[in-house]
Amino acid sequence: AQRVTQPEKLLSVFKGAPVELKCNYSYSGSPELFWYVQYSRQRLQLLLRHISRESIKGFTADLNKGETSFHLKKPFAQEEDSAMYYCALSGTSGSARQLTFGSGTQLTVLP
Amino acid sequence: DTAVSQTPKYLVTQMGNDKSIKCEQNLGHDTMYWYKQDSKKFLKIMFSYNNKELIINETVPNRFSPKSPDKAHLNLHINSLELGDSAVYFCASSQSGVTEAFFGQGTRLTVV
Repeated sequence: AQRVTQPEKLLSVFKGAPVELKCNYSYSGSPELFWYVQYSRQRLQLLLRHISRESIKGFTADLNKGETSFHLKKPFAQEEDSAMYYCALSGTSGSARQLTFGSGTQLTVLP
Repeated sequence: DTAVSQTPKYLVTQMGNDKSIKCEQNLGHDTMYWYKQDSKKFLKIMFSYNNKELIINETVPNRFSPKSPDKAHLNLHINSLELGDSAVYFCASSQSGVTEAFFGQGTRLTVV
């Protein structure tokens, strides 16, 4: 079984402060991990994926297999970063590939 | 061009009614999904279809039935609606072997 845990339901930081959204996963195979973002009243969209090792909108995330974590970080938060963030894991369930989401973290960046 | 589109965007209906939500994707993907986002914003997969075959069916009530007339469409039919069905339902699609999923804008279902 695959599981994604985001321990923080709500997270508030001030503009310019560093931010870290935590994500831990449980999966017996080799996972593919993603961060999706949902801005207010908009659809979910992919923010970044671990295999790309890219930085999007200043956000980065490193896969730590030892700690089974994929935390999302940004050194200087901006007000426009306020949104709902979902960590997701793509793994195989039986013969099918399944995208499992964490419960989400609502990030609020205060002015 | 909208990649994944759902209709309607809002749906208010009474308990006991039967309703459908439509989803279409123009990305040429072969896999489509339905997710339910509850009031706590928890996102849970309900169904996925690959090449018109149901491949994942989470423990959802059988009042919910996905129907895929072709690989560009995956509609969600709900019979005998209950108050607890109120949620935002998201359709998504992906190409098998490529794990990024593209989402529709969501359908906010309110059962009164």
